[in-house]
Amino acid sequence: GENVEQHPSTLSVQEGDSAVIKCTYSDSASNYFPWYKQELGKRPQLIIDIRSNVGEKKDQRIAVTLNKTAKHFSLHITETQPEDSAVYFCALNGGFKTIFGAGTRLFVKA
Amino acid sequence: EAQVTQNPRYLITVTGKKLTVTCSQNMNHEYMSWYRQDPGLGLRQIYYSMNVEVTDKGDVPEGYKVSRKEKRNFPLILESPSPNQTSLYFCASGARAGANVLTFGAGSRLTVL
Repeated sequence: GENVEQHPSTLSVQEGDSAVIKCTYSDSASNYFPWYKQELGKRPQLIIDIRSNVGEKKDQRIAVTLNKTAKHFSLHITETQPEDSAVYFCALNGGFKTIFGAGTRLFVKA
Repeated sequence: EAQVTQNPRYLITVTGKKLTVTCSQNMNHEYMSWYRQDPGLGLRQIYYSMNVEVTDKGDVPEGYKVSRKEKRNFPLILESPSPNQTSLYFCASGARAGANVLTFGAGSRLTVL
């Protein structure tokens, strides 16, 4: 079945630096690529998503890029802040399923 | 308030004692799904439902059952729980199957002794 690989598993950055998380996938039929943020002890929540008819989408300090030819998409967080510390999951639709990556734990050091 | 509600939030049980985790959504969503979250493995799909009376297996369905008799409810049933089902469980719903935003419940932490 469809699989999505997410890297890195852990990322530590200094406050104000940028953070990049990358996901690769195999099913070329996937056309929806959301990113979810899960703060400690909380539920995952959507922070940004992109559909296959666009290559990049930005919302304030976060952006997502999609390369359908290479089958990878990335989350970019600029000017990181301590409240960005969380686990981030990439996901995609595989038929009727939503399939998640294994997650990236981001630490932002003040 | 639009939400997904799951109960119980915490449960400790023993091997073999049947249990049900309930999930209810008030957004008239067609799609509902159950995930389990284990360290280093992300969110793995157990079962999903595309509408009333339509359910299908996800990636890790063994040991679980579901039903979708009403649009708003999607209970997860563990007929004979085992210790390897100790996990954090999330119910989620979406307007439709596939390419749409998921709204998650608060999670249910289950421990099977």
